[in-house]
Order: sequence, then C-alpha cells, then structure tokens
Amino acid sequence: QSALTQPASVSGSPGQSITISCTGTRSDVGGYDLVSWYQHHPGKAPRLIIYQVSNRPSGVSDRFSGSKSGNTASLTISGLQAEDEADYYCGSYTTKTKLDVFGTGTMVTVL
Amino acid sequence: QLRLQESGPGLVKTSETLSLTCTVSGDSITVRTFYWGWIRQAPGKGLEWIGSIYYTGDAEYYPSVEGRATISIDTSKNEFSLKVNSVTASDTAVYYCARHDGAFSALDHWGQGTLVTVSS
Repeated sequence: QSALTQPASVSGSPGQSITISCTGTRSDVGGYDLVSWYQHHPGKAPRLIIYQVSNRPSGVSDRFSGSKSGNTASLTISGLQAEDEADYYCGSYTTKTKLDVFGTGTMVTVL
Repeated sequence: QLRLQESGPGLVKTSETLSLTCTVSGDSITVRTFYWGWIRQAPGKGLEWIGSIYYTGDAEYYPSVEGRATISIDTSKNEFSLKVNSVTASDTAVYYCARHDGAFSALDHWGQGTLVTVSS
C-alpha cells in the first residue's frame, strides 16, 4: 500500500509550536477534504485528534489544528507540552483502494 | 460511551490461523454511518489497515492481506472478527479494532489493542 509521506521525527521545546506535514496525491489528500490525524502514545490506543482536515472532536485541545494546501496536509501543535510527546499519523480517504490510507508516522519529541 | 475490546490468543504458530474478536459496547454495531475495522502495527512500524466491514457483512481488505484475511460480523453479539490464515513472523503485530466513520473517513473510537506474536 502507498502510505502518505510524513517526516520521521519533529521536535520542539515546551511552549513552542511545531508542524507535521502529510504529503499525498490528488487521489487522496489533494482530492478530498477527508484528512484525519491520530495521536498515538506507545502502549495505548490511538486517538483521533483531527478529522475533515481541520475539525477537532469533542475533548481535543484547541492547541491542535489542521490545514491543507494542495496535496499536503499539516498538523500544528501550539504551546507544546510534555504530554504531546507521541507518534502522530495522518490518514486520508483514497480512490486507490476502498479503504483509507495512513501516513508513515511522525515521532514528536518535546525537548 | 462506546467501547471496543479485542480478544484472542496472543501466540499463534507459523502457518496457522490468527483469530481475533472485537466486542463493541455502548452502541449498536448496526448504526448505518459506521464501518468496523481492523488495523495493525508491527514492531517498530507504522499503522497498517487490514480491512473493514459494514453491518450488512460487506467487507473490504487491504492489498497486503487480501486473500489471507477474512472479517466477519455478528450483529446479535455486537461483535466483529478477524481471521488471517497462513501467518508468518511478519504478521506479528499489535492488532487494533476501531470504528470508522464513513462520512468523515476517520477512525473515531479504538480498542486498546492486543499483541499477537507468530512463532514456530
């Protein structure tokens, strides 16, 4: 399966903002506003933090925001906190299969 | 509150069949908006779709497991299941079940995951 491309790692100091990119094609990210983002702490269940590019589920901090430009979606974490240290995955609807596709994953480190 | 819980053997022998069940509580598995999926994460790797199923029994599979995986659903028990046959060490992974909102293409509720190790 052709995964969406994410940077392997991103780091930042507490209080800073970081942005994670998610690059696909017109068949997925670029073609539809159906991009989601997941936070995954090792050993725990992944958690949906953004859906439809920029919407936050109830209970998700407004420090998390999403956007999209062309074939690239982005997740921004503002006011970085120690608890944000986790793996982050994007996901998107795709016309290549009848299932969604995940990104390669990004490890966020809080310095 | 919706809860999903995976269950099944944690150890499967090479070439045999991996079988897992996801029990859903807090809502009916027949709600029309939602699909029910299986996702796995091999050690040191990212998340990988296995497949999903609708309450009608219609299932879709990812190319990487198509032909070896079967997902079924039992609406009377509010649960769905995964079988992967002819397993190898590369099927060793944490297996998650999740609810997929078809309208938003998002996995909005996940189980805690269960580690399945394939070994001879």
